[in-house]
Amino acid sequence: QVHLQESGPGLVKPSETLSLTCSVSGGSISTTTNYWGWIRQPAGKGLEWIGSAYYNGSPYYNPSLKSRVTISVDTSKNQFSLNLNSVTAADTAVYYCARAIGVPAFDIWGQGTVVAVSS
Amino acid sequence: QSVLTQPPSASGTPGQRVTFSCSGSGSNIGGNTVNWYRHLPGAAPQLLIYTNTQRPSGVPDRFSASKSGASASLAISGLQSEDEGHYYCAAWDDSLNAVVFGGGTKLIVL
Repeated sequence: QVHLQESGPGLVKPSETLSLTCSVSGGSISTTTNYWGWIRQPAGKGLEWIGSAYYNGSPYYNPSLKSRVTISVDTSKNQFSLNLNSVTAADTAVYYCARAIGVPAFDIWGQGTVVAVSS
Repeated sequence: QSVLTQPPSASGTPGQRVTFSCSGSGSNIGGNTVNWYRHLPGAAPQLLIYTNTQRPSGVPDRFSASKSGASASLAISGLQSEDEGHYYCAAWDDSLNAVVFGGGTKLIVL
């Protein structure tokens, strides 16, 4: 069974870069039937899609975050990553990585990781 | 303000049937498929419905959904106390070129 696990710093300073990795186990990230994505949830708010990537295709991003986001897939390590630069307090949230069956249908999720932006 | 509109709350008693609505436009629900998620306290979101009406394996048949035009709905029959949590709809939006989520509906089981 496919399992996803997020990892990365829980605290990032304002204006710096938030970097998270999602490790995929129990299956290959190089599958032709799945996309891989990041979603976040600020405290007390709803879910927000950050972006998604195919293992060998160009990623696509939420237009509201596009200028600051990079999602990359490392097939050799069976993991994918999120970089969000120039962070502010508004980027404080629980960040989830997820597998998608079709673009917006995220069927397997990581447990989520809390990232706070604070000096 | 979310692109997809959901009522902020809903409630029901154990055993009841409850429904959740999700309203969008032609660029999202009207032209693309809808997915529904359940987010229980302390857990990761769970995909309940994909492609408008399909249930992933393991999701019981007391969860059902439908779509008509630019609106969609999710129904839970045989409500259980463990169903208490937030329910979100989501779809691709052709105008925004983005996945959009509804603001979520908080279900309270009385």
